[in-house]
Amino acid sequence: AQTVTQSQPEMSVQEAETVTLSCTYDTSESDYYLFWYKQPPSRQMILVIRQEAYKQQNATENRFSVNFQKAAKSFSLKISDSQLGDAAMYFCAYRSVSTASKLTFGTGTRLQVTL
Amino acid sequence: DGGITQSPKYLFRKEGQNVTLSCEQNLNHDAMYWYRQDPGQGLRLIYYSQIVNDFQKGDIAEGYSVSREKKESFPLTVTSAQKNPTAFYLCASSSEFSFSSYEQYFGPGTRLTVT
Repeated sequence: AQTVTQSQPEMSVQEAETVTLSCTYDTSESDYYLFWYKQPPSRQMILVIRQEAYKQQNATENRFSVNFQKAAKSFSLKISDSQLGDAAMYFCAYRSVSTASKLTFGTGTRLQVTL
Repeated sequence: DGGITQSPKYLFRKEGQNVTLSCEQNLNHDAMYWYRQDPGQGLRLIYYSQIVNDFQKGDIAEGYSVSREKKESFPLTVTSAQKNPTAFYLCASSSEFSFSSYEQYFGPGTRLTVT
C-alpha cells in the first residue's frame, strides 16, 4: 500500500520569504500523480499544484513550485514571496494511475506566515 | 457556477441516531468520494464511487453507508455503529476520463458533532 509522509507538522515563514514543505512517499508503482492541496481556515480544500510522475520537469504554478525527485520518492513544495494568505494546512497526496482513483494523503503541515 | 455542495455545514446529533450527510456536484464528474478528517491526521477515505449504482469501501468504511442513485449525488449515512463519528467530513469528485485532470475537487465540508 502507498504511504505519504509529511515530517514537518508546523512551519513558519516571514512575509515575502521562501519556504519549502517536505513530502516523501512510498510506492512500488512507476506511474502515478502527486498533488499539493491547501486547506485554509475555511477548511475548503484547494488544489495548489499537480505533478505527473512520467514528467521529468518540475511543475510550477505562479509562486508555487515543486522539487520532484522520483528516485528518492520526494515531492517538496516551494512557496516563493510568501503572503499572509498562504497561511494554511498543506497536504501532500498520492494517486495511482493503475488502480482505483483514491487519493492517499499525508498528515499535513501547518504553515504560519508572519509579518 | 460549477461546484460541489455539502449540507449542512454543521450537524449535531445524539448518540445512537443515524445521520445522512448530503453531497451534490454539477461538474458532470463520474467519480465521487467521502473523506473523514480528524485533528492531526490527514484525510482518510470512507467510500468512493466511480459510476452510478456502484461504490467501493475505502480505508475506514465501518459504521458508514452510501448510495449512488444519481451521477450528481453521493449521500453518506453515519450509522449508530460508527464508534467515534464526531469529525469533519469532506466530499470530493473527479473526472475519471479526462487525461489532463485527475485531481479531486472538494466541497466545503460538514462538521458533525455527536453527543
